[in-house]
Amino acid sequence: AQTVTQSQPEMSVQEAETVTLSCTYDTSESNYYLFWYKQPPSRQMILVIRQEAYKQQNATENRFSVNFQKAAKSFSLKISDSQLGDTAMYFCAFMKHERSDKIIFGKGTRLHILP
Amino acid sequence: DADVTQTPRNRITKTGKRIMLECSQTKGHDRMYWYRQDPGLGLRLIYYSFDVKDINKGEISDGYSVSRQAQAKFSLSLESAIPNQTALYFCATSDFGTSGSNEQFFGPGTRLTVL
Repeated sequence: AQTVTQSQPEMSVQEAETVTLSCTYDTSESNYYLFWYKQPPSRQMILVIRQEAYKQQNATENRFSVNFQKAAKSFSLKISDSQLGDTAMYFCAFMKHERSDKIIFGKGTRLHILP
Repeated sequence: DADVTQTPRNRITKTGKRIMLECSQTKGHDRMYWYRQDPGLGLRLIYYSFDVKDINKGEISDGYSVSRQAQAKFSLSLESAIPNQTALYFCATSDFGTSGSNEQFFGPGTRLTVL
């Protein structure tokens, strides 16, 4: 069975700094998807970034980028120039590349951006 | 208008009561999901449905049942609510394959408290 581990339950950084959130996963699959979801205090779940395992290039979305290390089964999220609005719970998630599968979430990292 | 809606948004009920949480989507997606979120545990899958006639149990289905009334509607029922079912419940949809994104789109969540 696949598992997703987020080793940092909570983090705090100053506004404008760069922060990296860690995620590791365990799978025997060779093709799969990885996601980072953001949950702000409004509790809405928002997709931040997505990576397909067969793509070697790391995904980027504006200030958000990932460091995908397939051999190490690591998928960290880097937030550059952090903003107060980045304060949220962040979830790492995994999905096999099969029609019949579903997403497995990590337990989350609570990120506080300090003014 | 929101693509995925959930009703009610908040509900307080008593032990032993039957509760139904409803989810509707206008995205035209085949796949729908029910998750439960507890502090420190992330999101856990309760039930998922790939179409009206295809419903599957997730990792924590005990004490819950679902109904897929139409492609756009997926309801979650607690036949006899108990206090440890107090949680935040999310409905989500996805459209595997056609766009290649496999992104899950979440509703706003239902906060359920069982006294």
